[in-house]
Amino acid sequence: DQQVKQNSPSLSVQEGRISILNCDYTNSMFDYFLWYKKYPAEGPTFLISISSIKDKNEDGRFTVFLNKSAKHLSLHIVPSQPGDSAVYFCAAVGGYQKVTFGIGTKLQVIP
Amino acid sequence: DVKVTQSSRYLVKRTGEKVFLECVQDMDHENMFWYRQDPGLGLRLIYFSYDVKMKEKGDIPEGYSVSREKKERFSLILESASTNQTSMYLCASSFPSQRDQETQYFGPGTRLLVL
Repeated sequence: DQQVKQNSPSLSVQEGRISILNCDYTNSMFDYFLWYKKYPAEGPTFLISISSIKDKNEDGRFTVFLNKSAKHLSLHIVPSQPGDSAVYFCAAVGGYQKVTFGIGTKLQVIP
Repeated sequence: DVKVTQSSRYLVKRTGEKVFLECVQDMDHENMFWYRQDPGLGLRLIYFSYDVKMKEKGDIPEGYSVSREKKERFSLILESASTNQTSMYLCASSFPSQRDQETQYFGPGTRLLVL
């Protein structure tokens, strides 16, 4: 039973355009959400996070939006760059520090 | 700069062998985690530890055990490796408790092949 769902296994975007990665969750006890980025042969690295008391958090080209009523969050990358090509994992925290990850979305930014 | 290191990048083992995967972090983090990453399944938590000598089962602990004798070191043990344990294994560490510090720092991963 997947509590954190990333329904798009892959996404291709032209360089300079917006990339939108989506994530849905089912557990209403989740109160903190994170996005991680993973290059091949490397471990995931933290990208951006959002608390459930907010609906938006921005860091440079990266913005995460949270819609609690829909149990949906999204990561926007504007403008997309070829170096953004990676697998992006959505993660949610609920209970004592237990983090649940989605299965990931592979983003390819085409030059 | 946080550093999490894993003892091997690639391992090839035979079915039935005992396998040790070692993880060391240098930031005095209290929390440490072991995940496996498989295509279509994402990252799944095997075991985690909040302190020395403490361990908690994650979502898929069967066939694994762990050891945390020192704060900086968290070992994953496959008592008798099986082919379905072929995977990428990722270790992570984090600060305790604070929600807005809930960032895990990952090692580079160990790709294990069990023949």
